[in-house]
Amino acid sequence: SQTIHQWPATLVQPVGSPLSLECTVEGTSNPNLYWYRQAAGRGLQLLFYSVGIGQISSEVPQNLSASRPQDRQFILSSKKLLLSDSGFYLCACEFSGGSYEQYFGPGTRLTVT
Amino acid sequence: QKEVEQNSGPLSVPEGAIASLNCTYSDRVSQSFFWYRQYSGKSPELIMSIYSNGDKEDGRFTAQLNKASQYVSLLIRDSQPSDSATYLCALSGAGSYQLTFGKGTKLSVIP
Repeated sequence: SQTIHQWPATLVQPVGSPLSLECTVEGTSNPNLYWYRQAAGRGLQLLFYSVGIGQISSEVPQNLSASRPQDRQFILSSKKLLLSDSGFYLCACEFSGGSYEQYFGPGTRLTVT
Repeated sequence: QKEVEQNSGPLSVPEGAIASLNCTYSDRVSQSFFWYRQYSGKSPELIMSIYSNGDKEDGRFTAQLNKASQYVSLLIRDSQPSDSATYLCALSGAGSYQLTFGKGTKLSVIP
């Protein structure tokens, strides 16, 4: 079955600390993968997308980065968190190439204190 | 820059009524359209996709697309309290991997 895993589910981190969020998918190969952020009261903001291993496109300049070390693994990182990085981080997967249908994982709620 | 506009609501309807959610967009080359449902504190769930003009029905849900007028709508028949959620409209352009989302309409179904 097609499944998206994200961890951790919740995270509280101090300003200036590093961040690593992981997303893995099952039931597909060579999917398109996406990282979104949803801040309180705001819409979904596309941060990064990847069409293959090692291929990352950034949509918003910021202190975040993404990597795709394996076909079904997508990682979101930061060296130093800012208060403005707080939000709900969502990994999405396009299981069927060409459908443009994106399915979301359960998300990670990050609070930067 | 694609823009997707939705009435933020809240839209309140009585149980059993039809809920009508609307979305307009600015980019005429948009090709694919999606409706997501997001319960409070949860991630968005894809409920409908529509790619061509007209209506598409799936159970109690009907998506309507009018590319000439640049709007897409979602009708929910026989609304239930469990339909209470925020509904997000999203679209992508021709050959584009990226979805642009509206900010969502909050629906409240009153028992």
